[in-house]
Amino acid sequence: GAVVSQHPSWVICKSGTSVKIECRSLDFQATTMFWYRQFPKQSLMLMATSNEGSKATYEQGVEKDKFLINHASLTLSTLTVTSAHPEDSSFYICSAASLYEQYFGPGTRLTVT
Amino acid sequence: QKEVEQNSGPLSVPEGAIASLNCTYSDRGSQSFFWYRQYSGKSPELIMSIYSNGDKEDGRFTAQLNKASQYVSLLIRDSQPSDSATYLCAVSRASRDDKIIFGKGTRLHILP
Repeated sequence: GAVVSQHPSWVICKSGTSVKIECRSLDFQATTMFWYRQFPKQSLMLMATSNEGSKATYEQGVEKDKFLINHASLTLSTLTVTSAHPEDSSFYICSAASLYEQYFGPGTRLTVT
Repeated sequence: QKEVEQNSGPLSVPEGAIASLNCTYSDRGSQSFFWYRQYSGKSPELIMSIYSNGDKEDGRFTAQLNKASQYVSLLIRDSQPSDSATYLCAVSRASRDDKIIFGKGTRLHILP
């Protein structure tokens, strides 16, 4: 099946710093990628839809200036959490749309101290 | 607000029995329906997708869809301890590149 990778798998950063998370589709091209966030014992919440070569579409309540998304190629989308705070600590998961279905990356666990 | 509702559980099922997971959705425009399995600390894994009314079987898993009732279910036959996980019901309006809305998930515990 299609493979989606994320890097890093976990990251710890200090409050006020920025952190970048990469999402790559390894064996297929994805014009659309999605970014989700999952807090403990809660479901996945869609943050934004990322389209190659255009601006991301953010869900209501998600600050686009805080969560910067770039989809520069058909195999790479990045999420940058700017000026991170402890409440941004969460499990961030991307998915990429292939010809038939969406495939999820393994997730990135962000801890902001 | 388009929603997907699931019983949070936990649902406890003896090993070897049938586990039945249910889901309702509010958006009548939904066309694609998915069941994902998620182990603690891991990303969701697609188990089944279903697009038309009726049953769809894949190994020990059977997905059932009733669009008139806005109801989706997942049956797991011959439940194994490795099936213990959270099962997420998800729906989408259209195609593969449309956003997926997830339910909160049902925790399933298979009793050895």
